[in-house]
Amino acid sequence: KNEVEQSPQNLTAQEGEFITINCSYSVGISALHWLQQHPGGGIVSLFMLSSGKKKHGRLIATINIQEKHSSLHITASHPRDSAVYICAVTQGGSEKLVFGKGTKLTVNP
Amino acid sequence: KAGVTQTPRYLIKTRGQQVTLSCSPISGHRSVSWYQQTPGQGLQFLFEYFSETQRNKGNFPGRFSGRQFSNSRSEMNVSTLELGDSALYLCASSLRSRADTQYFGPGTRLTVL
Repeated sequence: KNEVEQSPQNLTAQEGEFITINCSYSVGISALHWLQQHPGGGIVSLFMLSSGKKKHGRLIATINIQEKHSSLHITASHPRDSAVYICAVTQGGSEKLVFGKGTKLTVNP
Repeated sequence: KAGVTQTPRYLIKTRGQQVTLSCSPISGHRSVSWYQQTPGQGLQFLFEYFSETQRNKGNFPGRFSGRQFSNSRSEMNVSTLELGDSALYLCASSLRSRADTQYFGPGTRLTVL
């Protein structure tokens, strides 16, 4: 079992839909990261969380430390949101960064 | 501030050769981490450097090595290349550690023939 599990693996939505991507982890962490990767490879860090909730524009990230679960929400989705979204955790102690396999999001106009 | 830069962006090598990739972090960032991304394994941590010292290492063979210079620029080296080393190699910098926000470079696409 992977230390970081994401669901779904693939997600197709219509423009304007509300989107949720989930991330569960099985190790103690000091931080959780949500990353966005567009075709071509560039990765952008969207959020870094250790507790609670963060919001940036149409993106919201939440984390529940007790349940070892995080969600990334996109409100009013747009085709430019099409990308792979990757959840990663910084393991407590070792600070090793462990990645989920990613969720490929396609938003159709 | 300029972002993280990586050179070269693309590289083609043959089996048995060695390769050196370079990463320049954001000014003021002292932690540089290297990652390998392949379609099968996804993103995997290679190693992290902080103040010229390797602070942590992933589960990769000794053919993969790196170093960091006093200006925080980092290089990674892969010796005796294998076909399976074909991947996108990404570096990321942060202020102090991987618990801080990671800023990724564009990556170096390595193809081993």
